[in-house]
Amino acid sequence: DQQVKQNSPSLSVQEGRISILNCDYTNSMFDYFLWYKKYPAEGPTFLISISSIKDKNEDGRFTVFLNKSAKHLSLHIVPSQPGDSAVYFCAASARAGGYNKLIFGAGTRLAVHP
Amino acid sequence: GAGVSQSPRYKVTKRGQDVALRCDPISGHVSLYWYRQALGQGPEFLTYFNYEAQQDKSGLPNDRFSAERPEGSISTLTIQRTEQRDSAMYRCASSRGLAGGQGDTQYFGPGTRLTVL
Repeated sequence: DQQVKQNSPSLSVQEGRISILNCDYTNSMFDYFLWYKKYPAEGPTFLISISSIKDKNEDGRFTVFLNKSAKHLSLHIVPSQPGDSAVYFCAASARAGGYNKLIFGAGTRLAVHP
Repeated sequence: GAGVSQSPRYKVTKRGQDVALRCDPISGHVSLYWYRQALGQGPEFLTYFNYEAQQDKSGLPNDRFSAERPEGSISTLTIQRTEQRDSAMYRCASSRGLAGGQGDTQYFGPGTRLTVL
């Protein structure tokens, strides 16, 4: 039973355009959502997060949107750059007990081409 | 500063052998997590330590899997009597462990690629 789903295994975007990565979740107890970025041969690196009390969080070129009623979040990257080419993982947690037990999606491979 | 390190980076073993995977977290990080990642999937939670206390082991698949963190720093994940289905990338992550704080970023190591023949 996948609680966090990333339905697009890959996405190709032209440099300078917007990249939109999507994520759906099923567990209404999730209250914290994150995006991680992963380059080959490296561990995932934290990118941006959002609490369930917000619907938007922005950090430079990266913005995460949360739609709780639809149990959907998205990551917008604008403008996209070739260095953004990586696998992006969506993750969620229900922060009980004071720690973040992260539940990850399967990832979306983003390719930004010139 | 140094990030999370894991050793070995690659481990090939024969079915039935025991393996021990090591994680060296970022200095001062209280929380330590182990995840397992199958090819084409995201990391899957295995277990969580707060200092030396193993507070959540709900993700360990069966009793062949165990983990320890005896001095609250380095952790070892041990798999006994390995099976082919144990082949995966095993990732460790550490965080500062801000009690009650959501902004407790987990920093991942490069992982150990385990192959069971």
